Amino acid sequence: AQKVTQAQTEISVVEKEDVTLDCVYETRDTTYYLFWYKQPPSGELVFLIRRNSFDEQNEISGRYSWNFQKSTSSFNFTITASQVVDSAVYFCALTGISGYSTLTFGKGTMLLVSP
Amino acid sequence: GAVVSQHPSWVICKSGTSVKIECRSLDFQATTMFWYRQFPKQSLMLMATSNEGSKATYEQGVEKDKFLINHASLTLSTLTVTSAHPEDSSFYICSARDGHSGASYEQYFGPGTRLTVT
Repeated sequence: AQKVTQAQTEISVVEKEDVTLDCVYETRDTTYYLFWYKQPPSGELVFLIRRNSFDEQNEISGRYSWNFQKSTSSFNFTITASQVVDSAVYFCALTGISGYSTLTFGKGTMLLVSP
Repeated sequence: GAVVSQHPSWVICKSGTSVKIECRSLDFQATTMFWYRQFPKQSLMLMATSNEGSKATYEQGVEKDKFLINHASLTLSTLTVTSAHPEDSSFYICSARDGHSGASYEQYFGPGTRLTVT
């Protein structure tokens, strides 16, 4: 069984602060994929990143960065110099690679960035 | 990129009526489609997985006679909420997997349908 834990239910920061969203996962698969999605108030899921289990390189995309640590089963997401537009719910998700695999979501972290 | 649409984007219906939600893959063939339900301030919960031309596989606790799923073509899946009740009010999201891409891990999400049952 797969499990994704996002322990932070809600985080509030002031604009320009850096913020890290935690994600810890459990899986028995040796090959798997991890994802981060953003869900703004409109509800539509926005894909942010996909990472496979064999690629532990950290990734940076603009103000966003991700830290994947297989040893601790974590895939944390950092927003640098947060902006009000970053306010949303962020979901971490996990799936295996077989055709029968389904996507398991964490409970999400609501990020509130105030001016 | 692959695009998935849903129609309608929001719907209000009276208790006891049925409502149909459509999910379409616009630029790829979706051999597998997924239906999720999301209650306010909660995560996405998978309701069912449907493969084109076969019966849907429902997750534990999801009533298959209440949530009818049809995946009759490679670009269209429908979810019909039958005899809707206020507790069925939720945000329904579909996603689709491109059967020809070889990337079985990839799902493309629709924009969601907000259902309110009065």
